Amino acid sequence: GENVEQHPSTLSVQEGDSAVIKCTYSDSASNYFPWYKQELGKGPQLIIDIRSNVGEKKDQRIAVTLNKTAKHFSLHITETQPEDSAVYFCAAISSNFGNEKLTFGTGTRLTIIP
Amino acid sequence: DTGVSQNPRHKITKRGQNVTFRCDPISEHNRLYWYRQTLGQGPEFLTYFQNEAQLEKSRLLSDRFSAERPKGSFSTLEIQRTEQGDSAMYLCASSLGRDTTYEQYFGPGTRLTVT
Repeated sequence: GENVEQHPSTLSVQEGDSAVIKCTYSDSASNYFPWYKQELGKGPQLIIDIRSNVGEKKDQRIAVTLNKTAKHFSLHITETQPEDSAVYFCAAISSNFGNEKLTFGTGTRLTIIP
Repeated sequence: DTGVSQNPRHKITKRGQNVTFRCDPISEHNRLYWYRQTLGQGPEFLTYFQNEAQLEKSRLLSDRFSAERPKGSFSTLEIQRTEQGDSAMYLCASSLGRDTTYEQYFGPGTRLTVT
C-alpha cells in the first residue's frame, strides 16, 4: 500500500517569512495530493491540492509543487501570519478504482513567531 | 449547508461499553469515509461508502467495529465492547464521488475516551 513520509515534524518561522513542508510517497500510481490544515480540536481542513498532471499550483499565499519522478511534493506558505499556526498534513490517493482512501503523513506542527 | 457534521463531539465511556457515532455528510455527496486519528498522528482510513454500499474496510477495523449508511445519507459507526486502545478522534469525511473528484471534506470529529 501507499506510504507517505512528511518532514519536518515541527517548524518555527518568524512572521512574514516563508515555510516549506515536504512529503514523499511510495506508490507511483498515486495521482492526487491534498494538503490539510488542522487546528486544535478541529477536523482537518482542505487548503490546497494538486493532481499528477500538474507540476505546481498556487492559491494566494499557498503553493504546492509536485515532482512525479522523485515522488515528492511540497507545501509553500509565503508571508506567514500568526493564524497560519496549526498542524499541516500531506496526503495521497492512488486512483485505482474503488480504492480512494487518503494516506496521510505524520504531520508538521507549524508555529509562527510574532 | 455548512459542511460535514458529527455527533457527539465528545464521548467518555467505560471499558466494555458500546458506543455509536453519527456522521452527516455534505448534501449530494455520494461518498462517505471514516478515519481514526490518535494523538500526534495523521488520520488513518477505516472504511468508506459509495451511497449505501460499504466498499472497503481497513484491517484496522476489527470485528468490534461496524459502520452503516442505510439510506445513503448519514452514517453510523458503532464500537462494541470498547477497549482503552479505542481512545482516539473518529473523523468522518465526504466527497462528491463523481468522475475524478477526489476532494474529501472532514467533519469536526468525535473524540472518544475509554476509561
